[in-house]
Amino acid sequence: KNEVEQSPQNLTAQEGEFITINCSYSVGISALHWLQQHPGGGIVSLFMLSSGKKKHGRLIATINIQEKHSSLHITASHPRDSAVYICAIIQGAQKLVFGQGTRLTINP
Amino acid sequence: DTAVSQTPKYLVTQMGNDKSIKCEQNLGHDTMYWYKQDSKKFLKIMFSYNNKELIINETVPNRFSPKSPDKAHLNLHINSLELGDSAVYFCASSQGHPGQDLILGYTFGSGTRLTVV
Repeated sequence: KNEVEQSPQNLTAQEGEFITINCSYSVGISALHWLQQHPGGGIVSLFMLSSGKKKHGRLIATINIQEKHSSLHITASHPRDSAVYICAIIQGAQKLVFGQGTRLTINP
Repeated sequence: DTAVSQTPKYLVTQMGNDKSIKCEQNLGHDTMYWYKQDSKKFLKIMFSYNNKELIINETVPNRFSPKSPDKAHLNLHINSLELGDSAVYFCASSQGHPGQDLILGYTFGSGTRLTVV
């Protein structure tokens, strides 16, 4: 069992819907990283957080260290948000472990 | 100007060959990384260098050797290539590294698709 589990694995929604992608982990971490991989393969770093909440445009990331859980929310979703969203946990200085990704498709 | 550039973008080679993938960043970052993404799209970190010093060295075969001539470059050399090495390899950079309180500007290269035949 991977130390990082994302849900759902696949998500299809209509344009404008509020999207939530979840990431649960089973070990202590120093930070958590959300990444976006576009259909063309390019990867973009969205957020790195160790507590609370961060917001950038229509994207919001939250983390609950006690519950070992993070969520990525997208408000007013748009077809251009279609991508694979990946969370990764950072354990100290030595280890990064990635989730398997959530494939998001937003239909117009 | 590309912030993190990898070359080549595609690499097709025969089993047993030795090949290198180059990575350069012009962001002034102090940390660089190599990641491998397999056919199932699963990302895994391989190496990380901070100011030319190796700080993450995951369990990868000895055939993989990173080389950082300066903090703007992190090259990946692979000896005796095997079929299982076929994957997309991503380079990335950041200011600060895992273990420090703050990591900024995490930026990925566009990837190098390696196919071993």
